This record gives sequence, structure tokens and C-alpha cells, in this order.
Amino acid sequence: GEDVEQSLFLSVREGDSSVINCTYTDSSSTYLYWYKQEPGAGLQLLTYIFSNMDMKQDQRLTVLLNKKDKHLSLRIADTQTGDSAIYFCAESIGTGGFKTIFGAGTRLFVKA
Amino acid sequence: ETGVTQTPRHLVMGMTNKKSLKCEQHLGHNAMYWYKQSAKKPLELMFVYNFKEQTENNSVPSRFSPECPNSSHLFLHLHTLQPEDSALYLCASSQDQRSSYNEQFFGPGTRLTVL
Repeated sequence: GEDVEQSLFLSVREGDSSVINCTYTDSSSTYLYWYKQEPGAGLQLLTYIFSNMDMKQDQRLTVLLNKKDKHLSLRIADTQTGDSAIYFCAESIGTGGFKTIFGAGTRLFVKA
Repeated sequence: ETGVTQTPRHLVMGMTNKKSLKCEQHLGHNAMYWYKQSAKKPLELMFVYNFKEQTENNSVPSRFSPECPNSSHLFLHLHTLQPEDSALYLCASSQDQRSSYNEQFFGPGTRLTVL
């Protein structure tokens, strides 16, 4: 079936690195995404990775993809209080008409 | 207005009421989506419209009825809802559902409470 799983909560201290993990079940994923949701707002795309890549770096963000284990992670370096939000993992699956499957979101708490 | 807007932002309704949620996108996109967001559950896709045609109905109960009069507007008509339908309803849009790279742009959501 189509399933994306991620832990619900993560707490880190300001300045530390945060690592948010995600597993997915559909091996036909083309793109995998990380979305961020701040309080009172909708989701906003943070970064994405194409399924034939292992890693993507974008400033403080590093995405790692292990296709064999169907595992995706998002590392945020030097986490700031402004990074406190819910982070959603998602995968794009299908052919012709694509569907995006989202996880339940990981709520990141950043302690000052 | 820019991006994706949703009205109302908050809605409280009784189980016998009829109400509608409205979504509008100003991005020139051709695909629009309704999602249900409940605490601790995966974001749940409800309906998808691509070029005004409904392409996805994810086994949603008939008390939810979508309408897409054009590529910029999407409605969700609600009637005889249940308390478990209380949730945040998110609207999103993207360029084209047929694209494998499918970044979606979300509205801020309507917080629905069913009494």
C-alpha cells in the first residue's frame, strides 16, 4: 500500500542539528519532498529530492535518501527557534496522473 | 491577493447545517486539491481536480461534495456532518497533476468544528 511514516515529535536545543526521519512504502516514488507548516498556515515546500539522488544540500538543509531501505531524512544544521514547525515528508507516486502521499508530520520544538 | 486563499478561516456548524468552504488560487495553476488534516494522522487527500475534471475521490463520504467551476476556484460543500469531521481542511494547487514533479501550494486552511 501507500504509506509514509514519521515520528510525531522532536525536541532539540538551539544551535544543535535536527534530524527528522521518514520511511515510505512505495518503491515507485519519483520525487520526495519535505514541507514545513508554521502555526496558522498551510504547508510550504522546503526542499525536494529526485529519486535517483542520494543526497541534496541546500544551505542549512541536507536531505538523504536511501532507496534500498525506503528511508528519507532531513537534517537542519544550527537549528534556530524560527525552525519550530511541523515538517511533513511526502512522496510523489504513479504514472500519468501522480498522487502525493504525505506523512502525519513531525513537530519540531526548538529550546532556547 | 496572491497565492492560495481560503474562506472562512474558522467555521463552527451543527450536524444538521449546510455550509461551503471556498478556495481560490491566483497562481495560474490547473490542479486543485482538498486535504483533511487531523492531529497525529497523515494528511488525507480527499479530492483532486485537474483542468476542472475530478481525477481523484479518495473514498470520501457523500456528506462532502466538491465543486470546481473553473481552474481558479474550488468549493467543498458540507451537509449533515459528524463530530469526527472536525479538522483543518486545506486547499492546495499545483501546475498540473500529470507532472511527476508536483510542488503543491497550500492555503492557510479552514478550521472546522462540528458540534
